[in-house]
Amino acid sequence: SAVISQKPSRDICQRGTSLTIQCQVDSQVTMMFWYRQQPGQSLTLIATANQGSEATYESGFVIDKFPISRPNLTFSTLTVSNMSPEDSSIYLCSVAGYEQYFGPGTRLTVT
Amino acid sequence: QKEVEQNSGPLSVPEGAIASLNCTYSDRGSQSFFWYRQYSGKSPELIMFIYSNGDKEDGRFTAQLNKASQYVSLLIRDSQPSDSATYLCAVKSGGGADGLTFGKGTHLIIQP
Repeated sequence: SAVISQKPSRDICQRGTSLTIQCQVDSQVTMMFWYRQQPGQSLTLIATANQGSEATYESGFVIDKFPISRPNLTFSTLTVSNMSPEDSSIYLCSVAGYEQYFGPGTRLTVT
Repeated sequence: QKEVEQNSGPLSVPEGAIASLNCTYSDRGSQSFFWYRQYSGKSPELIMFIYSNGDKEDGRFTAQLNKASQYVSLLIRDSQPSDSATYLCAVKSGGGADGLTFGKGTHLIIQP
């Protein structure tokens, strides 16, 4: 399985600011995914990031709020924009072949 | 709307016994099925995946799939206290381009 790293591992941010989360994979992958896990909840897919094309967002998530970049086959970023306390979550990137593996996550707290 | 349902628990099982975790899904087009284990404060760890009807065994774990009933389960034999975690069931509709739809997870407690 691929080794996935995320930066930062955690952050505390003030409302109204933005945070960019980085995801690095140790091998080239076609598809990368971003998920959110709100406190006490399960995982929800935010968007699918395919290199060379615009990210595909799930219902309830928009590009203005969660812009995603995918500049190459080993890297992606997710930005959480104009944050509010409701954005406090763990954000996870994932890579997929037949299986999906998750990075360690970024724990975001918005105050 | 794709839905994945799990009993949230907690499910309490004595050490050494078999833990049985269940999951149902709404999308008949679902192609592949995954079980993840998540310890508190950690990211999900893939335990098993299954595509075909029937059983799939890997060590102490057995995944069971019944597409006609839209039902998938995970059996953990010889349960250990280290198996105490939240178990997430996830389904994927298509191939690699599709993300996963997760259930809310079952909190499993193995009693020493």
